[in-house]
Amino acid sequence: GDSVTQMEGPVTLSEEAFLTINCTYTATGYPSLFWYVQYPGEGLQLLLKATKADDKGSNKGFEATYRKETTSFHLEKGSVQVSDSAVYFCALSGGSQGNLIFGKGTKLSVKP
Amino acid sequence: ETGVTQTPRHLVMGMTNKKSLKCEQHLGHNAMYWYKQSAKKPLELMFVYSLEERVENNSVPSRFSPECPNSSHLFLHLHTLQPEDSALYLCASSQDPRARGLEQYFGPGTRLTVT
Repeated sequence: GDSVTQMEGPVTLSEEAFLTINCTYTATGYPSLFWYVQYPGEGLQLLLKATKADDKGSNKGFEATYRKETTSFHLEKGSVQVSDSAVYFCALSGGSQGNLIFGKGTKLSVKP
Repeated sequence: ETGVTQTPRHLVMGMTNKKSLKCEQHLGHNAMYWYKQSAKKPLELMFVYSLEERVENNSVPSRFSPECPNSSHLFLHLHTLQPEDSALYLCASSQDPRARGLEQYFGPGTRLTVT
């Protein structure tokens, strides 16, 4: 079945460092891809999405490009801030009832 | 209120108790979902309701019983839970579950502890 694999964390960076969180997927058909972020004590918030191959989603300085040839959707940010500390989830729209299928999440800690 | 709200935010219950979790969405969506989030595991889909009809239950134990009285409200009734049921329970909604590519909007979750 459809699945998402993302890099294990935790990831610890200094402020203004470059961030990459890897995400690869397995899916039949052409899913949409998402990145969600979960701040401490909160639910998941949509960060960005891409609906077809070569689409780039972007928001708040984060970017991810839908790469069909490598089945990847890696999250990047050029300069992280302390406020970016959170858990990041990669997901695809592959569920049989329209539900999302999530990766295990990657915890990011940014130090001042 | 805007978005998706959940109450209570925290719940501690004994294994013989009966309690209910409530979710309300103010987005005019047609589908609502319950997910379970446990440490070190991916989010697990528990139930899906589309236009107030259950369409997925994913082999969830019968000690979890959902109810969707209308498209804006979703409940999860709990009874005789086990300690391994302790987790964050997340509610989500989306506009149309069969239209691929649509994102889901999540509530803040209920942190459940079973003692």
